[in-house]
Amino acid sequence: QKEVEQDPGPLSVPEGAIVSLNCTYSNSAFQYFMWYRQYSRKGPELLMYTYSSGNKEDGRFTAQVDKSSKYISLFIRDSQPSDSATYLCAMSGGNNRLAFGKGNQVVVIP
Amino acid sequence: GAVVSQHPSWVICKSGTSVKIECRSLDFQATTMFWYRQFPKQSLMLMATSNEGSKATYEQGVEKDKFLINHASLTLSTLTVTSAHPEDSSFYICSIDKRVGKSEQFFGPGTRLTVL
Repeated sequence: QKEVEQDPGPLSVPEGAIVSLNCTYSNSAFQYFMWYRQYSRKGPELLMYTYSSGNKEDGRFTAQVDKSSKYISLFIRDSQPSDSATYLCAMSGGNNRLAFGKGNQVVVIP
Repeated sequence: GAVVSQHPSWVICKSGTSVKIECRSLDFQATTMFWYRQFPKQSLMLMATSNEGSKATYEQGVEKDKFLINHASLTLSTLTVTSAHPEDSSFYICSIDKRVGKSEQFFGPGTRLTVL
């Protein structure tokens, strides 16, 4: 079983819809959780960083962590065409080593 | 956040030549930088951890003599791909960890290497 599971299937949504992405993990030592956005041929951009269970909101983005279920989610409200990108979840136990999910390609259709 | 730059952004070279990629932390003194490789439609794979003033730590399966890393200052780390071959063609990305021990990593824009 991989440390981080993220269903890599592409996701197409109409503009204005809510995008819901999630990852599961198996390593109980993970305590830092991140979501990155990566545009084609660019480096990943840190969107959300959390270290506790619960929700964290930043503008249209909400990150949710459930440590008991080993499950994290990212919600994008009022999605825009500019949100079209690949979204990677990442997590760490604090030893500087990030474990990444495979990434979800999201397409927001105008 | 943190601003990280890479140079060059893309490079094409002939098989057998060496290529140097620079990673600069523009607004943060980074004692540790990381080098990743990303193949098309794949996630990032950690290659090595670059430590200022000491030897880099390589991940299992990464040849340290092929991928030379130098972290001579708190703002610059370099990755040299020696005797490059077509299978080394990939997207190379560096990152810095702004909160040491808390894994808040900021990535550079990446360098696309194509070996002919």
